[in-house]
Amino acid sequence: ILNVEQSPQSLHVQEGDSTNFTCSFPSSNFYALHWYRWETAKSPEALFVMTLNGDEKKKGRISATLNTKEGYSYLYIKGSQPEDSATYLCALKRDDKIIFGKGTRLHILP
Amino acid sequence: DTGVSQDPRHKITKRGQNVTFRCDPISEHNRLYWYRQTLGQGPEFLTYFQNEAQLEKSRLLSDRFSAERPKGSFSTLEIQRTEQGDSAMYLCASSAGGLDYGYTFGSGTRLTVV
Repeated sequence: ILNVEQSPQSLHVQEGDSTNFTCSFPSSNFYALHWYRWETAKSPEALFVMTLNGDEKKKGRISATLNTKEGYSYLYIKGSQPEDSATYLCALKRDDKIIFGKGTRLHILP
Repeated sequence: DTGVSQDPRHKITKRGQNVTFRCDPISEHNRLYWYRQTLGQGPEFLTYFQNEAQLEKSRLLSDRFSAERPKGSFSTLEIQRTEQGDSAMYLCASSAGGLDYGYTFGSGTRLTVV
């Protein structure tokens, strides 16, 4: 069974503060790691697809890093805004599909 | 192209009834995936198609579940003799394939079995 672990499960952050959370995965046979943002009543939205060890990707105030040798990825959000409230999912590519973690539920407090 | 469409958005059914969901992927995408998400869990893989061929089915998918993608365009997921444990969000996604491509998801079909 392939385990993709995300922590924390849930997080409350004050508006304007920065935050980060973790995705851990088996380091063997790595192909790609995906990050998605899933807002309530909407579709999961792809944020990043990362394939190389040491990759760093950025999209506005959100960025991600990847360490394939030790099997983890961090997602950072700088200066949290109310619209950042969502579930953030990471997913590991395995064979021809992606396997998701349980997600980190982020709540931004006004 | 307006993205991945799923129909219906919500479905309430009585235990024992059959239900069918539809997914219309992005037209250029040859890969189509079905996932199921229950409370507190991440989306779980159910099955996927490359064009019209169903290439993998999860062991989670009992013989009450069947999926099709005739002509490699839209797909349907049918659940026969529904059980309360089938209550979940059913997500469809499509992809152009390749390592650098993310998946484009639909908004899902929320199934409630009463």
